Order: sequence, then structure tokens, then C-alpha cells
Amino acid sequence: AQKITQTQPGMFVQEKEAVTLDCTYDTSDPSYGLFWYKQPSSGEMIFLIYQGSYDQQNATEGRYSLNFQKARKSANLVISASQLGDSAMYFCAMTKGRRALTFGSGTRLQVQP
Amino acid sequence: DTGVSQDPRHKITKRGQNVTFRCDPISEHNRLYWYRQTLGQGPEFLTYFQNEAQLEKSRLLSDRFSAERPKGSFSTLEIQRTEQGDSAMYLCASSALDRLSYNEQFFGPGTRLTVL
Repeated sequence: AQKITQTQPGMFVQEKEAVTLDCTYDTSDPSYGLFWYKQPSSGEMIFLIYQGSYDQQNATEGRYSLNFQKARKSANLVISASQLGDSAMYFCAMTKGRRALTFGSGTRLQVQP
Repeated sequence: DTGVSQDPRHKITKRGQNVTFRCDPISEHNRLYWYRQTLGQGPEFLTYFQNEAQLEKSRLLSDRFSAERPKGSFSTLEIQRTEQGDSAMYLCASSALDRLSYNEQFFGPGTRLTVL
């Protein structure tokens, strides 16, 4: 069974600073995918970034980067230069193949001016 | 708008009533997923379809829940004899089976169900 753990219920960050959101996972499968989604107060889930278990390099998408440490089974999201619009819930998720996503409980990020 | 759409966006019902939700995926997407999200939690998988075939159902999907995707396009999720514990956001997502890279799922805006 797959499991995602997000140990930070809430985080604060000052505007323009970087922030790291933690995610650890557990799986016995050698092949899997790791995702981060953002959920603003409006409710829609917005895809941010993906990391495959066999990818050699950490994924990056604009201001988002994924710090993938396979041996530690961690997939932390780093947001650089935080903006007020980054305030939202952030979910780490994983999947095997093209099956459904398993989500963590999320981290609420609040960006302060 | 060519994203995933869901209808209705909000539904308030009385305990014991039946409700049905609709999801229209992105048109070329073969796979369609249903998730349930309760307050303060991450989404939990309910079921998914590949074209019209229902390939997997979660243990969360009790016999009061049924989902269909009759022509491999839109999908419906029905809850019979609703209970207060069914109050949640019901999210639909779709993905393209033939993507070579990864199974990026695109989510709809959700249907928020309140059972009184």
C-alpha cells in the first residue's frame, strides 16, 4: 500500500522568501510518480510539479522545485520567491503507473506581506 | 472552457435522499477518476474508469454509491439514502491514457455536498 505523510499542518512565509513543504512517502513499488497539487480557497486542484521514481534530476517548474531524496523517501516542495497568491493548501500525492492518486493530508501555506 | 466540468457545484439535501453528480472530462481523456475530500483532509480515491469500464473501486465506495460512464465520455456518481457522513467535496479528474510521460490528472471544480 502507498502512504503519503505531510507533517506540517500549517506554514507561514514572508513574501519574496523561499519555503519548503515536507513530504515523505512509503511504497514497496520500485516505479512510482510523485506529484504536488495546490488547492486555493476556491477548491480546484492545480497541478504543480511531477517527479518520477527513476528520474535522475530533481524536477523544476518555474518557481517550484521538488527536492527528491529517494533513499529517504522524501519529496519536498520548494517554492522560491513566495507571492501572496501562493497562499493555499498544498498536497503531496503519489501514484503507481496510471492508477489513482494517494494524497497526503496537506499543508496550509500562508504568505505574509 | 475545455477543462473538467462538474455539475452541480453545490448540493444540499436531506438525509435519506438520493443525489446524482455529473462530471464531464477533457474530451480526449480516456481515464476518469472520482475522489472524495472531507474538510481538512486530502482527497481520497473512490473509483476510476478507463473509457466505459470501471476498473477499480475503493473500499470507501459502499453499496449506496454507484458510478457510471456509459459511453466513455461523461460520468455520473449517485449516492442513495444519503447520510450526514457523506457531506464532502466530490472531485472528478481525468487523464489521457496515451501520455508517454506520466499520469497527470486534471481536476474539476468539485461538487460540495451537504447532507442535513
